[in-house]
Amino acid sequence: AQSVTQLDSHVSVSEGTPVLLRCNYSSSYSPSLFWYVQHPNKGLQLLLKYTSAATLVKGINGFEAEFKKSETSFHLTKPSAHMSDAAEYFCVVSFTGGGNKLTFGTGTQLKVEL
Amino acid sequence: EPEVTQTPSHQVTQMGQEVILRCVPISNHLYFYWYRQILGQKVEFLVSFYNNEISEKSEIFDDQFSVERPDGSNFTLKIRSTKLEDSAMYFCASKEAGARTGELFFGEGSRLTVL
Repeated sequence: AQSVTQLDSHVSVSEGTPVLLRCNYSSSYSPSLFWYVQHPNKGLQLLLKYTSAATLVKGINGFEAEFKKSETSFHLTKPSAHMSDAAEYFCVVSFTGGGNKLTFGTGTQLKVEL
Repeated sequence: EPEVTQTPSHQVTQMGQEVILRCVPISNHLYFYWYRQILGQKVEFLVSFYNNEISEKSEIFDDQFSVERPDGSNFTLKIRSTKLEDSAMYFCASKEAGARTGELFFGEGSRLTVL
């Protein structure tokens, strides 16, 4: 079975400071991992994905994530937060042979303050 | 940029009524999905559809739910007799053929409110 745990339901940062959103996964097979973002009243937009290539993945809007198999983690980071980054972020896992069924984490609400 | 579109954006219905949520996936995509998100809860998989048949469904997807691709462009989710607990945001997604771990493209969602 596969699962994903997002350790923080809410994260608050000041504009211009680093962002860290934590995610740990569990998968019996080689996982694919994704981060999706959902802005208010909008759909789910892919930020980045890991599919067994480079372990450090760069995404849109300056976000990146590092796949660490030994820690079963896929934390999302950004060096400098912007007000427009305020949104809900979902860590998502699927695995080869899983029919692309995505398993979502519970989400982390990111708040960016002036 | 191609996108997945969903209609309606918001629907209010009475308990027991039938509801059809519509989705137009990206045109060259062959895999289609419905997910839902009950307010305050995580996004949950409902069903996947490929080659004109359901390829996988979750426990949530009981006999009250059905999916259909009535023509070459639309992908619909029907709830036969809505219950209060069906109130949620329903997301349609599609994926192109090829890599099995490819990206899913999501629509903006249809919010269903059952009274």
